[in-house]
Amino acid sequence: DAGVIQSPRHEVTEMGQEVTLRCKPISGHDYLFWYRQTMMRGLELLIYFNNNVPIDDSGMPEDRFSAKMPNASFSTLKIQPSEPRDSAVYFCASSRQGYETQYFGPGTRLLVL
Amino acid sequence: GNSVTQMEGPVTLSEEAFLTINCTYTATGYPSLFWYVQYPGEGLQLLLKATKADDKGSNKGFEATYRKETTSFHLEKGSVQVSDSAVYFCASQNSGGYQKVTFGIGTKLQVIP
Repeated sequence: DAGVIQSPRHEVTEMGQEVTLRCKPISGHDYLFWYRQTMMRGLELLIYFNNNVPIDDSGMPEDRFSAKMPNASFSTLKIQPSEPRDSAVYFCASSRQGYETQYFGPGTRLLVL
Repeated sequence: GNSVTQMEGPVTLSEEAFLTINCTYTATGYPSLFWYVQYPGEGLQLLLKATKADDKGSNKGFEATYRKETTSFHLEKGSVQVSDSAVYFCASQNSGGYQKVTFGIGTKLQVIP
């Protein structure tokens, strides 16, 4: 079975540009999570969805960040406008149920210049 | 809320050495405990877990025992290999529906031949 798929794997952009990160969860998983990983703050949960509905976005740093899940097989995390402090690795993860193991994608390494 | 404290790395060991990575937790109730591993350039993978006191999780030669009395879940391996070089994350999750997974900061392990 294919795991969680993320694209792009690497993104380099300039400050002020819009960035869109994409995620395809494992088929049959009802929960989808977006995390951000930095050296300073470790792994932070940004937002999670249950059955395509955003449940908790309290981890989203500010209004420049938005996430959508239009269907069960696709989610996006958008940053507009991007800033250098957004540079990080962004992970998408999914799980069958909320209490079950989360499976992580390979991550998108974002660098904002 | 929950918190997880793990030893800061990096930890450098020679091949076949004994490994211990310490992890302690604070939580309301009795959470499930996990160790995740992140190999270079990849996402996190579940290594092992334990769901109640005195349970021992094990996988790939790694072990960890859920110690309620010391609120600890230390990771051990008797003989490490170069291929074990990775970042190891301790994590906790309360039971009951969806509960946020709380991750430690990660401990980088480097095994040298």
